[in-house]
Amino acid sequence: DTVLTQSPATLSLSPGETATLSCRTSQSVSRHLVWYQQKPGQAPRLLIYDASIRATGIPARFSGSGSGTDFTLTISSLEPEDFAVYYCQQRQNWPPLTFGGGTKVEIK
Amino acid sequence: EVQLVESGGDLVQPGGSLRLSCEVSGFTFSTFSMHWVRQVPGKGLEWVSCIYSDEAVTYYADSVKGRFTISRDNAKNTLYLQMNSLRAEDTAIYYCVKEIGAGHNPGAVFDYWGQGTLVTVSS
Repeated sequence: DTVLTQSPATLSLSPGETATLSCRTSQSVSRHLVWYQQKPGQAPRLLIYDASIRATGIPARFSGSGSGTDFTLTISSLEPEDFAVYYCQQRQNWPPLTFGGGTKVEIK
Repeated sequence: EVQLVESGGDLVQPGGSLRLSCEVSGFTFSTFSMHWVRQVPGKGLEWVSCIYSDEAVTYYADSVKGRFTISRDNAKNTLYLQMNSLRAEDTAIYYCVKEIGAGHNPGAVFDYWGQGTLVTVSS
């Protein structure tokens, strides 16, 4: 199974700052990496797929990059509604589909 | 408007069974592969199962293989998950999720999620 390791586990930032989240995979997933956002009490929301393609309706402050085994989600100029948990998921080597453990972006 | 509405979650004893349902609307259900993903409250996401749009192929996580069965009724726009021999570690919120793209082969990008239904396995 492809293991996804997200870091850091928690990121403490202030509104207006830039968040940089990392997702590393145990084997290459090419560019088949997906990012979701989840807020308390809600289902996850699709942000980015295939490493860098923003989903419909996702603001431009969310950007993704990377290929192979190293990926980054960048949130420029954090808005209050961006404080949430972010998960990565690979869709290259499945089944099984696998998710990272999540990064919580919290208000400092 | 795309909607996915899960039901069937409940408190069940270890070894028991449950059937989850997910009624969908707002898209042509029969042309999309569908998945179940679960989440222990406060923890991460775990993929459970997938079914192709034409029901020809199903996949399962090792943790549920042989105990869970995914199925769909395209005429009723409904996805199912039959869960047998339930264990305490199956306790989770179960989400029905839709693929972003239509077609035979699932691409495993999830653009719509249901609100989830809670399954609790406890004596």
